[in-house]
Amino acid sequence: EVQLVESGGGLVQPGGSLRLSCAASGFTFSDYGMNWVRQAPGKGLEWVSFIGISSSPISYVDSVKGRFTISRDDANNSLYLQMNSVRAEDTAVYYCARESVASDFWGPGTLVTVSS
Amino acid sequence: DIVMTQTPLSSPVTLGQPASISCRSSQSLVHTDGNTYLSWLQQRPGQPPRLLIYQISNRFSGVPDRFSGTGAGTDFTLKISRVEAEDVGVYYCLQATQFPLSFGGGTKVEIK
Repeated sequence: EVQLVESGGGLVQPGGSLRLSCAASGFTFSDYGMNWVRQAPGKGLEWVSFIGISSSPISYVDSVKGRFTISRDDANNSLYLQMNSVRAEDTAVYYCARESVASDFWGPGTLVTVSS
Repeated sequence: DIVMTQTPLSSPVTLGQPASISCRSSQSLVHTDGNTYLSWLQQRPGQPPRLLIYQISNRFSGVPDRFSGTGAGTDFTLKISRVEAEDVGVYYCLQATQFPLSFGGGTKVEIK
């Protein structure tokens, strides 16, 4: 059974940093690209970043370029999102999603709250 | 960047009746490889999104056949042939033809 579980969310001050993790199981992680998608409270879905097989290609939405870094550790079946210089508008539930024919499996999400 | 526009914002439906959601992209979603990477996702209250349809019209594993997708180029439609209580939620279209990926704004399906 494919499972994705995010962790690392929490309360962070504006300008601070946070590292999100996504633990994958039930499939060969190294064979798939992965996405981060976020959802601000009461709002719609926003794609954040993608990392391909063997970490290529990598892409970001403009609003996080230069602040967020996506990475993966295939040996440990894990996906990461390093979030630096966070802003209030980064407050959201962050989901990781496997990319196959589409974003076919999603984790339950982890909440990031940026507030002083 | 590709902008995805969904209509309607809300769709009150009687149980057993059909529902239809439209999604329009600001440019063609046909990829250079010939595929069209347009998918539909369902998000039930308090749940993460769930893939329903991929590449316009292909139902994902375990998705009931009352869900169907049609369209081409820039215009796409998700249809629910007979709405059931478990179909309540917000539906999103998603284009993955070009970075940045982009979602429609969402359509809330609710029971009258």
